Amino acid sequence: AQSVAQPEDQVNVAEGNPLTVKCTYSVSGNPYLFWYVQYPNRGLQFLLKYITGDNLVKGSYGFEAEFNKSQTSFHLKKPSALVSDSALYFCAVSLFSGTGANNLFFGTGTRLTVIP
Amino acid sequence: ETGVTQTPRHLVMGMTNKKSLKCEQHLGHNAMYWYKQSAKKPLELMFVYNFKEQTENNSVPSRFSPECPNSSHLFLHLHTLQPEDSALYLCASSQDRGGGDTQYFGPGTRLTVL
Repeated sequence: AQSVAQPEDQVNVAEGNPLTVKCTYSVSGNPYLFWYVQYPNRGLQFLLKYITGDNLVKGSYGFEAEFNKSQTSFHLKKPSALVSDSALYFCAVSLFSGTGANNLFFGTGTRLTVIP
Repeated sequence: ETGVTQTPRHLVMGMTNKKSLKCEQHLGHNAMYWYKQSAKKPLELMFVYNFKEQTENNSVPSRFSPECPNSSHLFLHLHTLQPEDSALYLCASSQDRGGGDTQYFGPGTRLTVL
């Protein structure tokens, strides 16, 4: 069975500092990994995904994530945080099954607060 | 964000009411999804439609009834709900059902059951 863990409910970082939001996963096979962001009263907005190839994935708004197979991690990073990055971040994993299913399994989310 | 729209954005209903949530996607996708988002819990996949056919029903109570008349529209019909059904209901769509396809989400409907 697939699962995703986001070990931190809350991450605080000062504006201009680098930020990391952690994600680990568990799948029986090769994973597809996603990051989404949710602003207040909004739906989930796609940031980036890892399918195959280069372990470092670059996405929207200067975010990037590194796929680490040995540590089964897919941490989200940004070199310099902005106050506007404050939001709820979700990691998700999917696995292609024989039936063609594309079910996304989400973590519980990490609330990022960037302090001015 | 206008790729997937949801109406209404907010809904308050009593336990004996019948209401419907609507989702429309303008992305030319073939798969559509309903999710339930409750506080402190992972998103729960409720239903999946692929080419208008329901391919997944994650043990959702029968008081939730989905309908997909075409690949662009998805409805969630609600009746005799319980207060614990209060949540944010999110609709999403993707090109197909391939494992790497990105799902795009609507803004959600905030449902309150009194």
